[in-house]
Amino acid sequence: GAVVSQHPSRVICKSGTSVKIECRSLDFQATTMFWYRQFPKQSLMLMATSNEGSKATYEQGVEKDKFLINHASLTLSTLTVTSAHPEDSSFYICSARDDGGTTDTQYFGPGTRLTVL
Amino acid sequence: AQTVTQSQPEMSVQEAETVTLSCTYDTSESDYYLFWYKQPPSRQMILVIRQEAYKQQNATENRFSVNFQKAAKSFSLKISDSQLGDAAMYFCAYTEETSGSRLTFGEGTQLTVNP
Repeated sequence: GAVVSQHPSRVICKSGTSVKIECRSLDFQATTMFWYRQFPKQSLMLMATSNEGSKATYEQGVEKDKFLINHASLTLSTLTVTSAHPEDSSFYICSARDDGGTTDTQYFGPGTRLTVL
Repeated sequence: AQTVTQSQPEMSVQEAETVTLSCTYDTSESDYYLFWYKQPPSRQMILVIRQEAYKQQNATENRFSVNFQKAAKSFSLKISDSQLGDAAMYFCAYTEETSGSRLTFGEGTQLTVNP
């Protein structure tokens, strides 16, 4: 089956530092990946759509200079939280759409828990 | 804008019994896809079942089946012979190709399975 990995699974950082989260499709190519944010006991909120070789598309209200997305290859997208602050603490989840599969199905990574002190 | 509503924040079921989780959605499109995802305590999102709107036949995956009512914009999930491992948060989700396959999620239903 289609597998998506995320690294790191957990990260703790000091306020003001930047944190990079990687999302990889392990056994398929993904032109399109998605980044979500999830607060405790809440649903997933789409932050941005990551497209290989082009700029990411951000959802309304998401600061693109705060959450930098780079999709440099067909198997890797990265999310960098710049100058992180405690309010950025959350669970970040990526998903990827299999280029060789059905266009509507997304496969999810295991998530990254970010804690900003 | 498309919206997905899950009106049951919490549900519980006895082991081996059947439970139905509700989901309604709002769209003006005729061609779209609906999903149920499961999120156990590990927080890994797992695809449970997928339904294509143009198909009248309800999707089934082993103990999981849906009741898709297109006119009513309803998409409920039935779990038969519930097992302890079914305990999780369940999310209903919607997407359409014209939105670039962006998923819209419902608020989720926390399912507890009692032994």
